[in-house]
Amino acid sequence: EAQVTQNPRYLITVTGKKLTVTCSQNMNHEYMSWYRQDPGLGLRQIYYSMNVEVTDKGDVPEGYKVSRKEKRNFPLILESPSPNQTSLYFCASSLSGQAISGANVLTFGAGSRLTVL
Amino acid sequence: GQQVMQIPQYQHVQEGEDFTTYCNSSTTLSNIQWYKQRPGGHPVFLIQLVKSGEVKKQKRLTFQFGEAKKNSSLHITATQTTDVGTYFCAGGGNKLTFGTGTQLKVEL
Repeated sequence: EAQVTQNPRYLITVTGKKLTVTCSQNMNHEYMSWYRQDPGLGLRQIYYSMNVEVTDKGDVPEGYKVSRKEKRNFPLILESPSPNQTSLYFCASSLSGQAISGANVLTFGAGSRLTVL
Repeated sequence: GQQVMQIPQYQHVQEGEDFTTYCNSSTTLSNIQWYKQRPGGHPVFLIQLVKSGEVKKQKRLTFQFGEAKKNSSLHITATQTTDVGTYFCAGGGNKLTFGTGTQLKVEL
């Protein structure tokens, strides 16, 4: 089944304790992206990757890191989490980042709910 | 940077009533996509509009892209409880920007 898999689905942690949220897709998609969802703010892009070894900042990148060493994986790293990073996180992928013939239609993972105390 | 706003933020309707959400961009969009997120779920792609003035229908859902390609709307005719969720528009070129979403609740 074509899907985007995120882990963990739920996590409660404390301020300053480094954590990684993994994201993997099995569709051979070039484009991958991380979003955070907060009430009233919609989906805000954190980082995206157009292809392997190519990453770029989205709208809210502060406090996050990413890497794209393999096509299928795009982990989100919080080096020193703070309470304002408590949120629902979604990883998504698409065939391409280019807006051509539906190639940038996103498939989302199930989400990872993170609480930072 | 590009901003995409949606109104209303919330809509509460009785089953059978119509519903419309509007999406407005600060810049011209190359295309617009619509996603639906059920409560507790993740966004799922509904449709993409590309041409100026384009109208597409999916059963009771009608999607429209404005002539200037800066706004879009989603209209649901005769809502059902299965329509409950948050509807997002997303627009842009190589970098999709999501709207703030409209949360729809449907009462029997």
